[in-house]
Amino acid sequence: AQKVTQAQTEISVVEKEDVTLDCVYETRDTTYYLFWYKQPPSGELVFLIRRNSFDEQNEISGRYSWNFQKSTSSFNFTITASQVVDSAVYFCALPGPLQGGSEKLVFGKGTKLTVNP
Amino acid sequence: EAQVTQNPRYLITVTGKKLTVTCSQNMNHEYMSWYRQDPGLGLRQIYYSMNVEVTDKGDVPEGYKVSRKEKRNFPLILESPSPNQTSLYFCASSLSPTSGEETQYFGPGTRLLVL
Repeated sequence: AQKVTQAQTEISVVEKEDVTLDCVYETRDTTYYLFWYKQPPSGELVFLIRRNSFDEQNEISGRYSWNFQKSTSSFNFTITASQVVDSAVYFCALPGPLQGGSEKLVFGKGTKLTVNP
Repeated sequence: EAQVTQNPRYLITVTGKKLTVTCSQNMNHEYMSWYRQDPGLGLRQIYYSMNVEVTDKGDVPEGYKVSRKEKRNFPLILESPSPNQTSLYFCASSLSPTSGEETQYFGPGTRLLVL
């Protein structure tokens, strides 16, 4: 069954520090997608990125970057020069198995990031 | 603006009083879904719909009903709410459900408190 583990429950940093949020996943599918979502204190879920398992190139978007390593089943998320507005809960997710269940996203438990001024 | 909307955003109700949480998307998405988020349990799928008139149970469907009469709307119905349905509810939609090939976009959430 699909499983997503975010071992870091809470992380606290000071503004301008770099921070990496870990995500480890389990799947039997040979082709799959991975997602990151952000949930700010206001509560909504904001889509950040979707990656295909065929593409292991790192992705960078402004201060955000993602490191996908299929060999270790990890899809880590780094925020460079963190800001107070980055404070949120971050979720890693993967679709359910191709053989039934792919109609949902399986989420990790989330990592709560607090960026202090 | 492409979006998923939910109403109400906040609701306090009493046990047994039927309620409906509406969800609407303006992206012509075929797939829609409801999740609930609870501390320690994370996000769990309640129901989903592949298209109009096609709905199916997710992981935690007990106590909920849904309908999909139009492509854009997917209301969540609690016929007889109970305190264990106090939660944060999210509606989501995507162009298709095909194993992540399409991104799921989420509504702003509905905070429900059942007394």
